[in-house]
Formats: sequence, C-alpha cells, structure tokens
Amino acid sequence: DVKVTQSSRYLVKRTGEKVFLECVQDMDHENMFWYRQDPGLGLRLIYFSYDVKMKEKGDIPEGYSVSREKKERFSLILESASTNQTSMYLCASSLRGETDTQYFGPGTRLTVL
Amino acid sequence: ILNVEQSPQSLHVQEGDSTNFTCSFPSSNFYALHWYRWETAKSPEALFVMTLNGDEKKKGRISATLNTKEGYSYLYIKGSQPEDSATYLCAFYNNAGNMLTFGGGTRLMVKP
Repeated sequence: DVKVTQSSRYLVKRTGEKVFLECVQDMDHENMFWYRQDPGLGLRLIYFSYDVKMKEKGDIPEGYSVSREKKERFSLILESASTNQTSMYLCASSLRGETDTQYFGPGTRLTVL
Repeated sequence: ILNVEQSPQSLHVQEGDSTNFTCSFPSSNFYALHWYRWETAKSPEALFVMTLNGDEKKKGRISATLNTKEGYSYLYIKGSQPEDSATYLCAFYNNAGNMLTFGGGTRLMVKP
C-alpha cells in the first residue's frame, strides 16, 4: 500500500512566521504535488516536482516555495505566513505519468492568525 | 487555468436511490480524466482514470463514462448507501500541460 504522510494534521501559526509543511511517500514515486483546498474551490495546485531538485509552479505558487532534496520528501514553505494562507494543504504523489493515480496524504489544516 | 466544472455542487439522496453527477472539461487536447472520492477526515482516494472516448469503468456500485468529444464525464452510483457519502472530485489532464486540474467537487450525502 502506498503511504503518503504529512508532518502535522493541524497547525496554528502567526502572521509573518515561516512555516514548513513536510510530506513523505514510501513508494519510490517520481512525482510529488502540493495542493490547497478551500471551500467551493476544489483542489488547487501550488507546486509539483517530477524529480529530485526539480520543481514546477502550479496554478497558485505566489507566497510559497518548495524543496525536494530527496526523492521521498517534498516540503512546502510559507516564507512569511499570511491570513489568506489559512487552508487545508494536501500532499500527493504519483508514479510517473498522466494516467497514474495520485495518492494523497491526510492533509494539514493550517490556521494563520 | 483550465476550467473543470462539476455539478451539482451538493446532493442529498435517500439510501437505495441511484444518482449521478457530471464533470465538464475542455474538449481540446484531452489526455486523461481522473475521478477521486474524498470522505470526511480521510485522504482522497482514486476511483478511475479514463483516457479513451466512450470509455466506461466500473467499481462495485460506482461506474463512470467518458465523452471526450463533448467534454464531459458522468459518475453513477447505483443503490446509494450511507458509506457513499463523500465529496467526488474529477480532475482533467490535457496534453498541452503537465498537471491535473481539479473540479470543485460534488458533495454527496446519503440519508439512511
């Protein structure tokens, strides 16, 4: 069974703090993704990575950065958290291609005060 | 940003009812269409990946069809059960891009 884990289920941070969200997958998947989910907006892609040290911007990369130093780990960084980044953050991974299903982590609900 | 729309946004049905909902996507440059089920407090789980026009997929009481020429997919649930209550997400891949674009989801609630 593919397992995707995220470092925290719930997180509360203050405006201006630097926030790290960690994601680890254990199935040697090439692709990893970070999404945010807001009511009525579905899942929106922030960044994705198709290889170690490679990253691509998704639909809403502003205010975020990512790091993929090892194949199994993909980190999302909020350089200076703002209240409009309060959201549910989901990490996912997939084997390689467009027809490979994505496997999701349990999500991190981030609140920025 | 590609436009992927799902309707209805939410749906309440009685146990035993059959139901269906729609995913609409751009018909040009189609590559693949994914369906996921997302239960409350759990991770989204894949249901189907569909690539061919006219494709039909089935998993137990859930099935899906695909029309790439007109840009829509239907998801059907036969004899809904309370455990089917979830948000159903579709996601579209086109061959001009390299990422999935998700619709807003259909939230299904099945009353016992």
